[in-house]
Amino acid sequence: DQQVKQNSPSLSVQEGRISILNCDYTNSMFDYFLWYKKYPAEGPTFLISISSIKDKNEDGRFTVFLNKSAKHLSLHIVPSQPGDSAVYFCAAFDSGGSNYKLTFGKGTLLTVNP
Amino acid sequence: NAGVMQNPRHLVRRRGQEARLRCSPMKGHSHVYWYRQLPEEGLKFMVYLQKENIIDESGMPKERFSAEFPKEGPSILRIQQVVRGDSAAYFCASSMRDRGDYEQYFGPGTRLTVT
Repeated sequence: DQQVKQNSPSLSVQEGRISILNCDYTNSMFDYFLWYKKYPAEGPTFLISISSIKDKNEDGRFTVFLNKSAKHLSLHIVPSQPGDSAVYFCAAFDSGGSNYKLTFGKGTLLTVNP
Repeated sequence: NAGVMQNPRHLVRRRGQEARLRCSPMKGHSHVYWYRQLPEEGLKFMVYLQKENIIDESGMPKERFSAEFPKEGPSILRIQQVVRGDSAAYFCASSMRDRGDYEQYFGPGTRLTVT
């Protein structure tokens, strides 16, 4: 049973435009969410996170929005750059749980075309 | 400040052999996590360790897999009698604080191929 879902396996955008990557979750105990970026043959790199007490967090070109009632979050990248081309993973965490694991979605491959 | 180190980066084993994967956490981090990524899948949690303790191994197969994080030296993920289905990328992550630090920092991974 997949608790974190990224329903778009891939996304293609033009350089300079906005990239919007979506993520849905089913476990209402998740209260902290993270986005990771991954290049081929490398490990995931932490990008940005958001606590469930917030609905938005911004860091430079990256903004994450959280809609708790819909159990949905999205990552906005503005403006998109060719170097942003990578696989983006959404991950969730239950801070009240007795374990410490991140639960990941399957990822979305973002391609930014020059 | 060195990041999470993993070695080897690539490991080829024949069916039935043992695979040993090593992970050195970031300096100052005392919490280590192992994840596995199968092709076309996301990362799946395997085990969480602190120095000399296994805290949560709920994601680790009951047989053939073991993990340790000794007082001195790197964390080791060991897979005995490997099978083709063990072929995957194995990532180690580390974090610093106990609770309140949800950001885990990942190493480059070990790509295990079982022939």
